[in-house]
Amino acid sequence: DAGITQSPRHKVTETGTPVTLRCHQTENHRYMYWYRQDPGHGLRLIHYSYGVKDTDKGEVSDGYSVSRSKTEDFLLTLESATSSQTSVYFCAISIAGGPDTQYFGPGTRLTVL
Amino acid sequence: AQKITQTQPGMFVQEKEAVTLDCTYDTSDPSYGLFWYKQPSSGEMIFLIYQGSYDQQNATEGRYSLNFQKARKSANLVISASQLGDSAMYFCAMRDFNTNAGKSTFGDGTTLTVKP
Repeated sequence: DAGITQSPRHKVTETGTPVTLRCHQTENHRYMYWYRQDPGHGLRLIHYSYGVKDTDKGEVSDGYSVSRSKTEDFLLTLESATSSQTSVYFCAISIAGGPDTQYFGPGTRLTVL
Repeated sequence: AQKITQTQPGMFVQEKEAVTLDCTYDTSDPSYGLFWYKQPSSGEMIFLIYQGSYDQQNATEGRYSLNFQKARKSANLVISASQLGDSAMYFCAMRDFNTNAGKSTFGDGTTLTVKP
């Protein structure tokens, strides 16, 4: 158990509304990641963080922003949700940024109507 | 750019038999790690096994082993003595060693169904 929680676990929202998803870890790992998973597909990286206030874009970052003001929390914000952002969102951590394993949170299922 | 290919959308195996799930990868980095994750119907991502590109021996973890063929760029997962609880989706992933944060690239997954 890597001590990762995500909140909320489920959310339904309407197009155009802002949404913030929270990832919380208890073990002070430096690296944190946000992925999305769409039906029948693997995970795609949205944004990642390599330290407090240090973040960068992944392959599908359009329409998303992130913030990390504390080691333990990594927030993902959809500024104006669209139906194409309906997905399952996973947060992950790794102890180092190289070859070590990524461990995943339980996921947040987001539906944008 | 990294790429992971899993060519088997679905696989069936009889309980207690072994099964191989295929994964091929493409990267220009000499140093990388290969991972397999299991995603049961409950949705969580469970880490199974890891293989480093410089590891001389194939990785094993209990009933899971990774058949690593570097020249062919393949990293197939072998599950021995399949159990009903092995029914799930399985993802192959790669991380390279040379970026700042070791971002992962995932394949599209293989759904494994174990028959009693």
